[in-house]
Amino acid sequence: AQTVTQSQPEMSVQEAETVTLSCTYDTSESDYYLFWYKQPPSRQMILVIRQEAYKQQNATENRFSVNFQKAAKSFSLKISDSQLGDAAMYFCAYPSGAGSYQLTFGKGTKLSVIP
Amino acid sequence: EAQVTQNPRYLITVTGKKLTVTCSQNMNHEYMSWYRQDPGLGLRQIYYSMNVEVTDKGDVPEGYKVSRKEKRNFPLILESPSPNQTSLYFCASRTSGAPYNEQFFGPGTRLTVL
Repeated sequence: AQTVTQSQPEMSVQEAETVTLSCTYDTSESDYYLFWYKQPPSRQMILVIRQEAYKQQNATENRFSVNFQKAAKSFSLKISDSQLGDAAMYFCAYPSGAGSYQLTFGKGTKLSVIP
Repeated sequence: EAQVTQNPRYLITVTGKKLTVTCSQNMNHEYMSWYRQDPGLGLRQIYYSMNVEVTDKGDVPEGYKVSRKEKRNFPLILESPSPNQTSLYFCASRTSGAPYNEQFFGPGTRLTVL
């Protein structure tokens, strides 16, 4: 079974500091995509960033960037200059199954931001 | 406004009483999906639909039914709810073809089965 593992159930960061959330996955595919979703207390699921596995360059979206290591099947999310609004659950996910119609999520990391 | 809507947002019911959670999207997306979210387990896919009249099981389909008679609607049916179906449910949609495309999520439905 294809799996996604987030090994840090909870993390905290000081405001304005940098934090990295880890994610590892297991797939036999050679071409695939990876996502990080954010879920604030409002419960809304928000796409933070995505990465195409065949691209060598790590994706970046403003203060959010990824460290994608394909050989190690690792996909970590780095948040720079952390803000109070970054406090949320963060989920790593990737499309799986035949036709990539399924989206497999990790169990999530709860991030707290300390003022 | 492009969005995915779910109704109801909150529901408390009793064991065995059939219920339907509706999901509708206004983005003309072919693909729609249902997830349940439980503490410590993340989101798990229940069912998905690639297009009208085409559905398939996800990872946790037991106890649920779906139908896709119209492109915009994808209701989730619990014919005989049980307490272990108490959960937070999300509907999502995206364009078909490229799995790279973002899935848009509804606001969630908090279901409690007593």
